[in-house]
Amino acid sequence: ETGVTQTPRHLVMGMTNKKSLKCEQHLGHNAMYWYKQSAKKPLELMFVYNFKEQTENNSVPSRFSPECPNSSHLFLHLHTLQPEDSALYLCASSTTGEGYEQYFGPGTRLTVT
Amino acid sequence: EDQVTQSPEALRLQEGESSSLNCSYTVSGLRGLFWYRQDPGKGPEFLFTLYSAGEEKEKERLKATLTKKESFLHITAPKPEDSATYLCAVHRGNKLVFGAGTILRVKS
Repeated sequence: ETGVTQTPRHLVMGMTNKKSLKCEQHLGHNAMYWYKQSAKKPLELMFVYNFKEQTENNSVPSRFSPECPNSSHLFLHLHTLQPEDSALYLCASSTTGEGYEQYFGPGTRLTVT
Repeated sequence: EDQVTQSPEALRLQEGESSSLNCSYTVSGLRGLFWYRQDPGKGPEFLFTLYSAGEEKEKERLKATLTKKESFLHITAPKPEDSATYLCAVHRGNKLVFGAGTILRVKS
């Protein structure tokens, strides 16, 4: 595997389900990110991790719970979601610090029914 | 507040018809401006990083330029495979602030 991978690629869940999204980066980076992309809206940053420590929570509802066990893996645990949470969820990684480009995974298309 | 505005929202070109996409920004202390390409249902693909006014970078039919207030992505003689959404973003702290993107369609 190369770059940034995400699983699953597609997920349909009911509002009472619990599911998790997984991201893995093979680039040797030490910062990882979760973004939400909704139709016709700019990418919204959700969480930032630097060296496994959460450094940013962009006022995300508690029904989204991130986990970063090491610098290569990032999870997003989902529970009691709402239909408006349906979106493309993107993971990215970068070298820590300003001015470094972020590399994105292919995303997980989430549909909440 | 940092803002990134892209124009136009959508652009339709004939194959070979050159044009430019605009990204205007307001951010104190620019640490980097990034251009990405995104195909439908996929994650953004990194294209360029620009750091200072006057800087230019090229890749195949694409050329990115930067001034103190805006960046342009020039597309020379585009082909249908250049059709995608083009995103720009500015670096603030350890975050990227994205624009809404320009949807480019190139018809043969």
